[in-house]
Amino acid sequence: DAMVIQNPRYQVTQFGKPVTLSCSQTLNHNVMYWYQQKSSQAPKLLFHYYDKDFNNEADTPDNFQSRRPNTSFCFLDIRSPGLGDAAMYLCATSRAGYYEQYFGPGTRLTVT
Amino acid sequence: QKEVEQDPGPLSVPEGAIVSLNCTYSNSAFQYFMWYRQYSRKGPELLMYTYSSGNKEDGRFTAQVDKSSKYISLFIRDSQPSDSATYLCACAPVSSASKIIFGSGTRLSIRP
Repeated sequence: DAMVIQNPRYQVTQFGKPVTLSCSQTLNHNVMYWYQQKSSQAPKLLFHYYDKDFNNEADTPDNFQSRRPNTSFCFLDIRSPGLGDAAMYLCATSRAGYYEQYFGPGTRLTVT
Repeated sequence: QKEVEQDPGPLSVPEGAIVSLNCTYSNSAFQYFMWYRQYSRKGPELLMYTYSSGNKEDGRFTAQVDKSSKYISLFIRDSQPSDSATYLCACAPVSSASKIIFGSGTRLSIRP
């Protein structure tokens, strides 16, 4: 089945220790998104890639970076995680120009 | 004021009841309206989407959009315990498929 896969599902990191979350997709969609979702809150778009074009949201902290080495993979790097970065991180994909986004299961990040 | 407002619930109804979930939005530019279902510790799953005003039906689910009052609804008929989840509404302008704004979700519980 075509899908969006996120690894790991659960990640624990220490305050200030860099962490990388990964996302892969078999849907061959050219748009990939990273969202942050805190408990009982709406998913918040951090950035998205249209093919290799990177689009950063204006209010995304500099602490968050992303890489997309190819169509299938996308990474979220948090350079110096703070306690406030503890959240569920969701990866999603879509075809360009289409509104339907397909989400992965998410990575729950804990910062100690 | 948030662009998309949603009552967080929780909403608890007996099995077989008709469920009504609602959202309001403030941006007149929104033309695409979506409902996502999110089970606990999972990513959102697209249930339905509609363009502009009107109704759309899919099995037990009906999505309704009233652009004049900026009000969107999701009705679930013959509700089942498996429908227990958080339901997120989402809106997007026609100018940008990547700029989806999510509501914070309504937690729904169906009692057997």
